[in-house]
Amino acid sequence: GAVVSQHPSRVICKSGTSVKIECRSLDFQATTMFWYRQFPKQSLMLMATSNEGSKATYEQGVEKDKFLINHASLTLSTLTVTSAHPEDSSFYICSARRGGGSEQFFGPGTRLTVL
Amino acid sequence: GQNIDQPTEMTATEGAIVQINCTYQTSGFNGLFWYQQHAGEAPTFLSYNVLDGLEEKGRFSSFLSRSKGYSYLLLKELQMKDSASYLCAVSGAGSYQLTFGKGTKLSVIP
Repeated sequence: GAVVSQHPSRVICKSGTSVKIECRSLDFQATTMFWYRQFPKQSLMLMATSNEGSKATYEQGVEKDKFLINHASLTLSTLTVTSAHPEDSSFYICSARRGGGSEQFFGPGTRLTVL
Repeated sequence: GQNIDQPTEMTATEGAIVQINCTYQTSGFNGLFWYQQHAGEAPTFLSYNVLDGLEEKGRFSSFLSRSKGYSYLLLKELQMKDSASYLCAVSGAGSYQLTFGKGTKLSVIP
């Protein structure tokens, strides 16, 4: 159990377009979902924390109007990168935590390349 | 805030034992995690320590000393497939958010 999926796994887009990334917990209900960004040879940096049915909490320096997060249900959270620019190219990883547990289960990640 | 330090790179020989250290300074503590991450892939969970002492799980063990702000991951009987980055992450008090260290890239050589 505790499988998290992400879609798409890889996306290439033009500068100025928007990209939506989905994160799903497949076999459990996720009380909280987290979105991370990882640049090459860097560690994971937390972007935001989202709880189902409430607004996401963004980390300092992360623009909430640029990175839109929607946690519509206990099994789905989406991250939309709006007006993407080349500097947004990165590896985006989501994780999910189920109620009563401390462990985060990670999705396989989405490689975003903005041309 | 949170500050987590771990060595950038380590090299070890196949069949040997390697210890990866992690020190942390946090404003609160709700547990320490170790994750393995292969290049281009998401992290996979290895271990979780919230109390002092050693947790053993097969070839992998993790130790925690809360008073010293110190943990280590011990890998025994190294295999070539263990070549990966190992991430130390701390969960702050009253929060389930994780702060990750920069990771230790382990290279296992024949």
